[in-house]
Amino acid sequence: EPEVTQTPSHQVTQMGQEVILRCVPISNHLYFYWYRQILGQKVEFLVSFYNNEISEKSEIFDDQFSVERPDGSNFTLKIRSTKLEDSAMYFCACPKREVTDTQYFGPGTRLTVL
Amino acid sequence: AQSVTQLDSHVSVSEGTPVLLRCNYSSSYSPSLFWYVQHPNKGLQLLLKYTSAATLVKGINGFEAEFKKSETSFHLTKPSAHMSDAAEYFCVVRVGTSGTYKYIFGTGTRLKVLA
Repeated sequence: EPEVTQTPSHQVTQMGQEVILRCVPISNHLYFYWYRQILGQKVEFLVSFYNNEISEKSEIFDDQFSVERPDGSNFTLKIRSTKLEDSAMYFCACPKREVTDTQYFGPGTRLTVL
Repeated sequence: AQSVTQLDSHVSVSEGTPVLLRCNYSSSYSPSLFWYVQHPNKGLQLLLKYTSAATLVKGINGFEAEFKKSETSFHLTKPSAHMSDAAEYFCVVRVGTSGTYKYIFGTGTRLKVLA
């Protein structure tokens, strides 16, 4: 199975602080997605990103969230001012090659906001 | 709107007995459907997928699922449960058009395997 990696595996932060979650997708891929899973709830779509632009975002993805591709390989999800309700598992995913391919998920980053 | 409904939030089976995890979908056209598994404190692993080819789909670890259009179902089965199958299982439908696709997850079914 293709490998998608994420760092850190666990992030603890104080409410109001900024956090940056990182994802290294399947090599040289242009598409990637972020999903969120609040503890005990289902996985929810946050945003899709293609070729340095957001292609779709959910209602959850408000102005506090942003995505970037800072260096051509890594993708980041930034939360500017974290809230308690941002505590969740964040997964990035990308298809193997084409946008129609199956999405492979990273291991996730568990974000805890205190 | 496309969606999936997982009919059971929890399923318990004895080791060695069959597993049935139920999923119904709602879609106006032929959907792409997936089953993912999540072991405790782990990420999401693809079990199998249906993308309008054969209606009976075989996946990893002995799991399979059958796409039934007449019943709008995509149930996951395994003939004989193993202790290592204990996990959360998600039925997923892919939605979107060319350019971007996103996954819509069901609420999950937690499978417990009893010794």
